[in-house]
Amino acid sequence: QSVLTQPPSVSGAPGQRVTISCSGSSSNIGADYDVHWYQQLPGTAPRLLIYGNDNRPSGVPDRFSGTKSGTSASLAISGLQAADEAIYYCQSYESALRLFGGGTKLTVL
Amino acid sequence: EAQLEESGGALVRPGGSLKISCAAVDLTVRGNSMTWVRQAPGKGLEWLADISSGGKMYYAESVKGRFTVSSDYEKNTFHLEMTDLRPDDTAVYFCARAGDHVYDAFDVWGRGTQVTVAS
Repeated sequence: QSVLTQPPSVSGAPGQRVTISCSGSSSNIGADYDVHWYQQLPGTAPRLLIYGNDNRPSGVPDRFSGTKSGTSASLAISGLQAADEAIYYCQSYESALRLFGGGTKLTVL
Repeated sequence: EAQLEESGGALVRPGGSLKISCAAVDLTVRGNSMTWVRQAPGKGLEWLADISSGGKMYYAESVKGRFTVSSDYEKNTFHLEMTDLRPDDTAVYFCARAGDHVYDAFDVWGRGTQVTVAS
């Protein structure tokens, strides 16, 4: 059981918008720690998608966006594409140690 | 473009030890915070250990006392030494860089090396 809680799965049709939540507590996200998001395609290493709650590295489309409020964070993906089908992980900190959410599998219908 | 490449994954007996390595290209291990993350079959990502740019080490509770992270600046490589290995340590082990310019997120990843613990 991960300290950061993500829904196991979400789905959406091409072109739609989906959001993935990452729920923590006052010991991690709520303690003003940054939240980062990663995308992992099948059989590959994770890729950084969002850093520092709401920043995109160069090369990440603006269809991906992140927000953080209180003890939770969210990743939104708009204009869904088949290539977005992957597992998405949030990552934050607790007592200065790193922790990951359990991951959310996104299915594009 | 900065790259990381893991090596040293193997089949190990329960109770055994193994040292895996991560070689860096176009980034300097000395000047960066480097990390190990693993992924058990069909499971999510688990952070294991960091070695900071200043050489300070941090460990997840699940591996503290069994795993040791170290750096070899001459070879621009860092390592994870694992002892008292258990079947639930079976996983793909990734190395990554925590980039200052991306607020300490993991912006460069290796492809992973397989560690299997079985008799």
